[in-house]
Amino acid sequence: KAGVTQTPRYLIKTRGQQVTLSCSPISGHRSVSWYQQTPGQGLQFLFEYFSETQRNKGNFPGRFSGRQFSNSRSEMNVSTLELGDSALYLCASSLAPQTGYTFGSGTRLTVV
Amino acid sequence: AQSVTQLGSHVSVSEGALVLLRCNYSSSVPPYLFWYVQYPNQGLQLLLKYTSAATLVKGINGFEAEFKKSETSFHLTKPSAHMSDAAEYFCAVSGRGNAGNMLTFGGGTRLMVKP
Repeated sequence: KAGVTQTPRYLIKTRGQQVTLSCSPISGHRSVSWYQQTPGQGLQFLFEYFSETQRNKGNFPGRFSGRQFSNSRSEMNVSTLELGDSALYLCASSLAPQTGYTFGSGTRLTVV
Repeated sequence: AQSVTQLGSHVSVSEGALVLLRCNYSSSVPPYLFWYVQYPNQGLQLLLKYTSAATLVKGINGFEAEFKKSETSFHLTKPSAHMSDAAEYFCAVSGRGNAGNMLTFGGGTRLMVKP
């Protein structure tokens, strides 16, 4: 079966711009979560959606937002980009906590 | 709050030697525990998970981990390292509730395998 698909794989944006990243979960998975990975901070949880509702949010500024559609696809948006937002953004989908989380290949965002 | 500590940000072993990557967690309730592997420019691949069945968990590629509640540990082992095992490994913990699912990761351990 198809895995978690993230698009695009690579992005280069300028400071002050905004960006939207997309994630298509495994079919049947209703939980989608997002993580930011940087060399300095490691893997940090951004937010989690389940059935179009945000259930959990990490400690990130309001410039980071997300949403989930009725087909469980999710998008995350970062507004007013800063250099420090350069990172690998990973999406994961899950059927239930005990079944584990399947990650996509990530979107590498570079802010210049 | 949950936390994960991985001792050793870099571990180097010779090909054929035992691999031991350490993970300790902190959680107020018995958590679910996971080990993931990440190859360069890729996402995270699940190696194995502990969800309160057997305390010794076998995963893919010959890896296994043992949950020790008294030591709050979940160390990852492999009897014989292969060159293809060189990657970064992450230990993670999640809660059991249905109120929301999130993974808390350790800082990662980069495994290097010498020929």
